[in-house]
Amino acid sequence: EPEVTQTPSHQVTQMGQEVILRCVPISNHLYFYWYRQILGQKVEFLVSFYNNEISEKSEIFDDQFSVERPDGSNFTLKIRSTKLEDSAMYFCASSVGLAGETQYFGPGTRLLVL
Amino acid sequence: SQQGEEDPQALSIQEGENATMNCSYKTSINNLQWYRQNSGRGLVHLILIRSNEREKHSGRLRVTLDTSKKSSSLLITASRAADTASYFCATAGRSYNTDKLIFGTGTRLQVFP
Repeated sequence: EPEVTQTPSHQVTQMGQEVILRCVPISNHLYFYWYRQILGQKVEFLVSFYNNEISEKSEIFDDQFSVERPDGSNFTLKIRSTKLEDSAMYFCASSVGLAGETQYFGPGTRLLVL
Repeated sequence: SQQGEEDPQALSIQEGENATMNCSYKTSINNLQWYRQNSGRGLVHLILIRSNEREKHSGRLRVTLDTSKKSSSLLITASRAADTASYFCATAGRSYNTDKLIFGTGTRLQVFP
């Protein structure tokens, strides 16, 4: 069964460093998402992406964040200058379409900023 | 106040018992989805119920949706120790330009053998 994959599974970085989190969505899906979950808290929406552009972003998704689909398979989240409060689990998700389609989540990347 | 809130926050039961988790939300929705998360792991999609549906079954799972009360419930019948996890509801709004999911706070289910 197709699934969303994410790399790396864990990332430790120093405050101020740039990190790139990678995702490979399910191949026939057209809509892509990033969410994050700070330890012990609820899952929060960051950004949605369709047709090579951002379709919606949350207040969390400030200028330090960017997303890209550099080729036909990868979908990346870049954090330009990490802060301590960026430590969280980051989930990528994809869906076939909008209007109520199931979003399938990857296993997550646990980011720790020291 | 938050869009999705589950209750109870935590639930402990014995194997073989049924587990019921509830979710309330505040805005109009297109659909409501339930996810499961094992400790520190990814989110596994369980079931999606659309706003025009009232009940849906999948194996040992039964989901109901009451849009007039803005609430949903997830019933797991004949629970097993392997069902131990956190369960989240997530709502998708009625906008057709986006489908961001708004997650609830989750219910931690512990099933004792």
